[in-house]
Parts: sequence; structure tokens; C-alpha cells
Amino acid sequence: DGGITQSPKYLFRKEGQNVTLSCEQNLNHDAMYWYRQDPGQGLRLIYYSQIVNDFQKGDIAEGYSVSREKKESFPLTVTSAQKNPTAFYLCASSMSFGNQPQHFGDGTRLSIL
Amino acid sequence: KQEVTQIPAALSVPEGENLVLNCSFTDSAIYNLQWFRQDPGKGLTSLLLIQSSQREQTSGRLNASLDKSSGRSTLYIAASQPGDSATYLCAVNYNNNDMRFGAGTRLTVKP
Repeated sequence: DGGITQSPKYLFRKEGQNVTLSCEQNLNHDAMYWYRQDPGQGLRLIYYSQIVNDFQKGDIAEGYSVSREKKESFPLTVTSAQKNPTAFYLCASSMSFGNQPQHFGDGTRLSIL
Repeated sequence: KQEVTQIPAALSVPEGENLVLNCSFTDSAIYNLQWFRQDPGKGLTSLLLIQSSQREQTSGRLNASLDKSSGRSTLYIAASQPGDSATYLCAVNYNNNDMRFGAGTRLTVKP
């Protein structure tokens, strides 16, 4: 089954702690994306990657970091600099960075302890 | 500023009713528009993708229309079923692949 797998489903962060959210895809897609979803708001783009070893900041990149060392993996680190990290995080991929429908994972819900 | 608005925020209908969900956007220079479905605690599932040159797309009981000049899209659901209960999101894709999402309409179909 081809798809996008996000883990963990739920994650808790302590004060001053960095946490990493995993996103893996076996769709052979070049482009991958991270979005943040807050209640009553549309999805907002955090980071995106058009191809391996490349990534770009989205609209709300402050307090987050990413890496793209492998085509199938695009982990997101929520650093201690992100003061309001509580949200639902969604990873997506598309065949190429362009006019393609995006495929989404099932999300990770991050909360502060 | 490129904004996407979905009204209403929530909608409750009896089973079997036909319904329309609305999406409006401020910048008409779009590349395409996509409708997604999101179940609680889940990711998004693509329903329909309308290219900027198209006026509508259909899939089963779903029909999406696009009117770029007025900055509007509608998602029509025929003969609604309880299984259609979910949040429906509209996403507008601009020329640089900048996708802007609406906040969604939460639909409840009562048996």
C-alpha cells in the first residue's frame, strides 16, 4: 500500500525541549510539505522540499527545522523557540512541486506538558 | 493578501438532502482549486481538483464548480448520507504552487 506515514500520532513536549515528528512516504514523490492546523484556521505551510537535500521556508517557519536526506523522509523538529507549538501537524507529498494533488498523512497532534 | 473563506463554518442536514458548500477567494489568478475531506483526527483526502481553465468537475455524488471571475467555488453533494459527515476544506493553488486553505465547513448528516 502506497502512502504517507506520520508518527507518533500524539506527542507531548516539555518546556525547553525539542521534539521531532516523523514523516515517511513510499509514493516515490519528489516534493514533501509540512503544514500546521489550528482550530478555526486553514492549514498553514511550515516548510517544503522540492527534492532531496533541498528545503524552503513556508509562511510560519520560525521555531521549526527540517531535513531531507532521503527522498522518502522529511522529519520536522519543533524547537524550544516555537512558543506556541500545540497544534495538529500534517505532512503531505506530491509527485512534483507543481500542479499536482497533494497526498496527506494522518497527522501528529502535539501538546505541551 | 490571498485569502480563502468558507461559509458556513458548520452545517447540519437530514439524510437525503442535497447541499452546497461555499468557498470564496480574493485573488482570481489561480492555478487550480482543490476540495478535500477531513475526518476527525485524520489527514486530508483529495475529492476533486479543478484546473483554472475548467468550470466544474464531477465524481459520483460530488460536483465542484469554479467561477474565477467572481472568486467562488461550490461543492455540491447530492443525496447526502451519514457517511458524508466530515470537514470539507477548499484549497486554492496560485501560480507559484502557493496553496491557501480555507478553515473548512464541518458537515453533519443526521440519519
